[in-house]
Amino acid sequence: QSALTQPPSVSGSPGQSVTISCTGTSSDVVTYNRVSWYQQSPGTAPKLVIYGVNNRPSGVPDRFSGSKSDNSASLTISGLQAEDEAYYYCSSYTSSAWVFGGGTKVTVL
Amino acid sequence: QVQLVESGGGVVQPGGSLRLSCAASAFNFRFYGMHWVRQAPGKGLEWLSFIQHDGSYIYYGDSVKGRFTISRDNSKNTLFLQMNRLRPEDTAIYYCARAGTDWTFDYWGQGTLVTVSS
Repeated sequence: QSALTQPPSVSGSPGQSVTISCTGTSSDVVTYNRVSWYQQSPGTAPKLVIYGVNNRPSGVPDRFSGSKSDNSASLTISGLQAEDEAYYYCSSYTSSAWVFGGGTKVTVL
Repeated sequence: QVQLVESGGGVVQPGGSLRLSCAASAFNFRFYGMHWVRQAPGKGLEWLSFIQHDGSYIYYGDSVKGRFTISRDNSKNTLFLQMNRLRPEDTAIYYCARAGTDWTFDYWGQGTLVTVSS
């Protein structure tokens, strides 16, 4: 159960777009279209923002979007806002287990 | 509103045991699979265990297999995690999470802190 690979940090100015990558293997991201993304602000529990590669739960702004290509998934935040500053984690199902990425800190400049 | 409330965390010596609980409300607990996930201080998320809605399927992560046991009581809307042979590296906030559509963790509790130290 190897962790998915994410960049440690990304940053952008308000209004810009940022994209976070999540690289897996044939055991997880490649085989299963079950990548989800979670937002975690300091001192709080994670919150689901994208599931099934590119579906948003009710209440999540449409500036959050997801995609997948080969062995990587991506989360894009368009029109970055100050409240989007947080850690973001990807996750994938992988044959009787789940795996998370190491997390990416999004900084709004 | 779906609510998950963990309890049972605390300080325990290495080699000791602890039992965590997760009380669920505002949804039909008996129809949902449930997870335990932890987060060591300053670190990322680590999936630990999953139990099917009726307990028919149970999975564990490699780091806790053989030491931790997940269970549930659908009559009391409660999820459990029995943790034995605890190690300092088990120090973390432990979250319970509901298994949502598309193999997600769609709702999370606020977490309970477990500290393993002598």
